[in-house]
Amino acid sequence: DIQLTQSPSSLSASVGDRVTITCRASQSITTYLNWYQQNPGKAPKLLIYAASSLQSGVPSRFSGSGSGTDFTLTISSLQPEDFATYYCQQSYSTLLTFGQGTRLEIK
Amino acid sequence: QVQLQESGPGLVKSSETLSLTCTVSGGSISSYSWSWIRQPPGKGLEWIGYIYYSGSANYNPSLKSRVTISIDTSMNQVSLKLSSVSAADTAVFYCARYSKSSHYNYYYMDIWGKGTTVTVSS
Repeated sequence: DIQLTQSPSSLSASVGDRVTITCRASQSITTYLNWYQQNPGKAPKLLIYAASSLQSGVPSRFSGSGSGTDFTLTISSLQPEDFATYYCQQSYSTLLTFGQGTRLEIK
Repeated sequence: QVQLQESGPGLVKSSETLSLTCTVSGGSISSYSWSWIRQPPGKGLEWIGYIYYSGSANYNPSLKSRVTISIDTSMNQVSLKLSSVSAADTAVFYCARYSKSSHYNYYYMDIWGKGTTVTVSS
């Protein structure tokens, strides 16, 4: 299985801050990496696919980058609705895996 | 627009089989793949498996011996069966559309149901 490790596991930040979350794969997954946002009690929502492509309707303050084994999700200026848990997920293998999640909290 | 709705018993007894259905509305089930994901209380997301509209499926190796995913194109439904459940299977279960991008072979889960909570009791 391809393991995905996210860092940090939790993060405190303020509205307006720039935040970066990292996802590292146990082997190269080229750019087959997706990012999801999950608010408490809600289903996950697709933000970024193919490492850097913004899903339709997602604000442009979200961006993704990386290839191979190292990837980042950046939120350029945090808004109140962005405080949530973020997951990376790989689709390089037919056996899918998620990262353990990064909880973004209000400072 | 396309919507997904999970349904099934909210309580299942230990050692029995959990059965859930995902009903797709607002669009056809054909030409897409469909995935099941679960989330134990307070924990992260775990992929269970997915099925192509053709009927072939891939499963998480850790659950493969207990899982069956099937598709009914006439009813626009995808089903999940998980056998020999235990308390460790208590979770919110989500179904999601597993879509392919218009270029290359990038796949992602772009539409999700709201999820259904299943508790396994002893």
